[in-house]
Amino acid sequence: QVTLRESGPALVKPTQTLTLTCTFSGFSLSTSGMCVSWIRQPPGKALEWLALIDWDDDKYYSTSLKTRLTISKDTSKNQVVLTMTNMDPVDTATYYCARFRVETYYFDYWGQGTLVTVSS
Amino acid sequence: QSALTQPPSASGSPGQSVTISCTGTSSDVGGYNYVSWYQQHPGKAPKLMIYEVSKRPSGVPDRFSGSKSGNTASLTVSGLQAEDEADYYCSSYAGSNNFYVFGTGTKVTVL
Repeated sequence: QVTLRESGPALVKPTQTLTLTCTFSGFSLSTSGMCVSWIRQPPGKALEWLALIDWDDDKYYSTSLKTRLTISKDTSKNQVVLTMTNMDPVDTATYYCARFRVETYYFDYWGQGTLVTVSS
Repeated sequence: QSALTQPPSASGSPGQSVTISCTGTSSDVGGYNYVSWYQQHPGKAPKLMIYEVSKRPSGVPDRFSGSKSGNTASLTVSGLQAEDEADYYCSSYAGSNNFYVFGTGTKVTVL
């Protein structure tokens, strides 16, 4: 059974760095073709793809946010971490992590999401 | 990396059909057969409904179908049911530089 769960602060101040952790089970990120991605959704707005890390530690970022994002993985802990620097109120959103496989190019399992509010 | 363009809303009566368009470019929708569609109910995570343009995952009713022509993909929901009322998002692989892009989302209302 594949599950993913996001964790991190619910509230961050402007200019701070956000660190989110995705803890997953039911698959291994060391298996060829496996990837984990981060997607966010501001309240009432559309989904926005942020970043992806694959089994080979290759990393891909949204071109509009790449200077602020870092994605990493700890295969032994089944975790993927996303950091986003210089947070702004417009970054207020629900942040999801999701599993992605390069054989299929879609997100087949999603976490429940975690709401992050940026406010002083 | 611009979002794929979807109409903000679509509606239909129970039993009718509704079709949602998703327009991209030759660098995403038109360049790959990796278009997916997700359904999202309020407060819930998105759920995969269609992948690789027209394939349905196990458990998704055959009332949902997908297609693509050029840079535009479409999702059709036939025989609308009350539970189909939700937001729908298209998405596409966009190559190794931009990697992935979502659509602007369409709210489907069952009248």
